[in-house]
Amino acid sequence: SQQGEEDPQALSIQEGENATMNCSYKTSINNLQWYRQNSGRGLVHLILIRSNEREKHSGRLRVTLDTSKKSSSLLITASRAADTASYFCANAFSGGSYIPTFGRGTSLIVHP
Amino acid sequence: GAVVSQHPSWVICKSGTSVKIECRSLDFQATTMFWYRQFPKQSLMLMATSNEGSKATYEQGVEKDKFLINHASLTLSTLTVTSAHPEDSSFYICSARDQVNTEAFFGQGTRLTVV
Repeated sequence: SQQGEEDPQALSIQEGENATMNCSYKTSINNLQWYRQNSGRGLVHLILIRSNEREKHSGRLRVTLDTSKKSSSLLITASRAADTASYFCANAFSGGSYIPTFGRGTSLIVHP
Repeated sequence: GAVVSQHPSWVICKSGTSVKIECRSLDFQATTMFWYRQFPKQSLMLMATSNEGSKATYEQGVEKDKFLINHASLTLSTLTVTSAHPEDSSFYICSARDQVNTEAFFGQGTRLTVV
């Protein structure tokens, strides 16, 4: 399967702490996107990082990409209770049909 | 980033009826659109890929006669769940790809409940 896999599957932290989620994939990618999904809701696009980029920031979010290890990480700094959600990475693969595929996601709970 | 609009955001229908979900790319031409389905607490699973003006390609196990996909224009794709049953209740989400940039953008999803 070309699916990305997020790690850990579940993460529980206290407000103010940092949360780190990882995503691994199996084949070469064109870009990788991180999404947030609140319970019962749609996907919210967080960050897109291209294969030629190594790091990207957006507010309290920091995404890194290591194409040699075929992995990406999403860091949320100074977490808030409102960050409680599931986080998914989606890969768009190069050399193929560019079909975005999702991992199982990381369920993040931030306790106030 | 580009905007993909999905409508409706939620729908409740009676068993045996059909439901149509629309996916529109608002500011770019989407030559390819993808439809996904998500069961509670699970990942999004690709159902089908549609290219403008041609038949959709369905993933294994997805009934093409039940989930009708039409991609008649470069900005609109529709998914029709025919003769819906309670087990079709799920979260459906579309994605549209910009051919020029090969990036895909996602709609907000549609929660279907069949009663």
